[in-house]
Amino acid sequence: ETGVTQTPRHLVMGMTNKKSLKCEQHLGHNAMYWYKQSAKKPLELMFVYSLEERVENNSVPSRFSPECPNSSHLFLHLHTLQPEDSALYLCASSPLAGSYTDTQYFGPGTRLTVL
Amino acid sequence: AQSVAQPEDQVNVAEGNPLTVKCTYSVSGNPYLFWYVQYPNRGLQFLLKYITGDNLVKGSYGFEAEFNKSQTSFHLKKPSALVSDSALYFCAVRDGENSGAGSYQLTFGKGTKLSVIP
Repeated sequence: ETGVTQTPRHLVMGMTNKKSLKCEQHLGHNAMYWYKQSAKKPLELMFVYSLEERVENNSVPSRFSPECPNSSHLFLHLHTLQPEDSALYLCASSPLAGSYTDTQYFGPGTRLTVL
Repeated sequence: AQSVAQPEDQVNVAEGNPLTVKCTYSVSGNPYLFWYVQYPNRGLQFLLKYITGDNLVKGSYGFEAEFNKSQTSFHLKKPSALVSDSALYFCAVRDGENSGAGSYQLTFGKGTKLSVIP
């Protein structure tokens, strides 16, 4: 898991707070991803960045705002969240952009609780 | 559209016995199939993948998976289960028919909880 790191590991926030999740990959990859993992549901892909350019946004509410300043770092800015946004947020990276055979490597996740 | 199904929410197996975690998929083109494992409070760890070639794929920690095109299945197997194998297992598929942004899309199943009983 040292290849992809995420901070913080746990976050509790109120509905009016603004916070950010950080992801860093040390694998020299060119693509990065944000996923949401909720109990009893499949992983939901939120955002995809390829070479620092956003290429996918799966109808995610605007209260989630991603940022990819370079190919090693990915942020997820959070504001005015709802309790149903409580989940495990996973970051992943992969070597190539748009390759069918690509393996995605995941970080440990940030456990988010919205009160 | 691509989809994957893991028909069992939970699988229980005795330590030392063989284990199987089932996965079936649906794609329009060629399937690219993956298995991941998730331990409590951890991210997903890659186990193995099928791209092309031999239908039996060997992966990490003694796991293997068999690709069966006629049954559209990709079941995960291990000859002898360990208590430390207890975790949540995810199957995922990518459709070779997708293009552009869709080629990134990796669709995951809901996961199967494996419990290995000492």
